[in-house]
Amino acid sequence: DTGVSQNPRHKITKRGQNVTFRCDPISEHNRLYWYRQTLGQGPEFLTYFQNEAQLEKSRLLSDRFSAERPKGSFSTLEIQRTEQGDSAMYLCASSSNRGQANEKLFFGSGTQLSVL
Amino acid sequence: QKEVEQNSGPLSVPEGAIASLNCTYSDRGSQSFFWYRQYSGKSPELIMFIYSNGDKEDGRFTAQLNKASQYVSLLIRDSQPSDSATYLCAVNNQGGKLIFGQGTELSVKP
Repeated sequence: DTGVSQNPRHKITKRGQNVTFRCDPISEHNRLYWYRQTLGQGPEFLTYFQNEAQLEKSRLLSDRFSAERPKGSFSTLEIQRTEQGDSAMYLCASSSNRGQANEKLFFGSGTQLSVL
Repeated sequence: QKEVEQNSGPLSVPEGAIASLNCTYSDRGSQSFFWYRQYSGKSPELIMFIYSNGDKEDGRFTAQLNKASQYVSLLIRDSQPSDSATYLCAVNNQGGKLIFGQGTELSVKP
């Protein structure tokens, strides 16, 4: 069990550029989540997948954000035309759902995005 | 009203004391409740979960749940400086996701 892996750990980009982050969940986990966290705040839900299906996307999420999980394993989160307000820690988490409501999410180390 | 609310702190306690962290939630249908610990610059780490009304103990940690009052708390006994971190309350509101509070910063002074 290697845990949830996220790459890159840090990303610095200029405003207007596109960025893509990758997340590899724990191998037997079928659910994968993306959260965003800014300093002094709790993680804010962005979207989640069960296998390859994207089941929910935050209503607050701009259409500049898109996520995929094409084969039900790793996932990518892309931000197009980045803005300074996108600067945050992007956290990926995974869980094993067996029809229970008792989700235990395990987080990766996150990708820290800085938009200049 | 936020879905999950916590006092942001900071909460400061002396070493060896009991730290009490509180959380309220708005969705009465919520079924499962979690406490995560987050050290500065690190990702959240699950430390406790509770599903039923009452208390659940694990070592120095006790989670308490009162669904009628929509209240969940975390007690840390014999607090140590290594417990200094931000504690995040999270609630599963019957959807597939966890909703997090803003976190309470705990500082344990030697």
